[in-house]
Amino acid sequence: EAGVAQSPRYKIIEKRQSVAFWCNPISGHATLYWYQQILGQGPKLLIQFQNNGVVDDSQLPKDRFSAERLKGVDSTLKIQPAKLEDSAVYLCASSLGPTETDRGYTFGSGTRLTVV
Amino acid sequence: GENVGLHLPTLSVQEGDNSIINCAYSNSASDYFIWYKQESGKGPQFIIDIRSNMDKRQGQRVTVLLNKTVKHLSLQIAATQPGDSAVYFCAERGWGGKLIFGQGTELSVKP
Repeated sequence: EAGVAQSPRYKIIEKRQSVAFWCNPISGHATLYWYQQILGQGPKLLIQFQNNGVVDDSQLPKDRFSAERLKGVDSTLKIQPAKLEDSAVYLCASSLGPTETDRGYTFGSGTRLTVV
Repeated sequence: GENVGLHLPTLSVQEGDNSIINCAYSNSASDYFIWYKQESGKGPQFIIDIRSNMDKRQGQRVTVLLNKTVKHLSLQIAATQPGDSAVYFCAERGWGGKLIFGQGTELSVKP
């Protein structure tokens, strides 16, 4: 099966600019996750979707970050305006469902964001 | 709160030796744990998992041990190869199925 697709692979922006990341999960996976991975750290969950609804966005900095999954398939994560501390790899992952996470999720390769 | 962490940030081993990577977790109610491998420029990749009703699980060249008494996980890699060089994360499954990751251990295999 095709994996989780993410684009772009790399992005460099200046602080206070905006940026958007795109994710297409594995076909049929109802649950989609966005994780932020700062260099040298483990991934941290930003937001979890079940189909087109938000399940958990408690760790999402809502003053600057937003995410949507309008049709319950692909998803977009946006940062506006970006700060230097947003430099990280943004990972998208998917699973069949929130309780069907045996063997974990399938992760994409991520988007590496550098804010200068 | 929930927390999963690793004891050692880096580990260097000789090719052919066995590797042991450790992880401590704080949520005694966690019922499922996963080890992930992450190579440079890639997303985390599933290695092996274990449920809380088990204390040991073996895969191909990898073994995970769970000690619930001290809330400790370990990943053992037998006959470590250069291709095993990567960062290894443990993760525990929390509320709603979300995975909570530790800091990671970088494994370096010397030929």
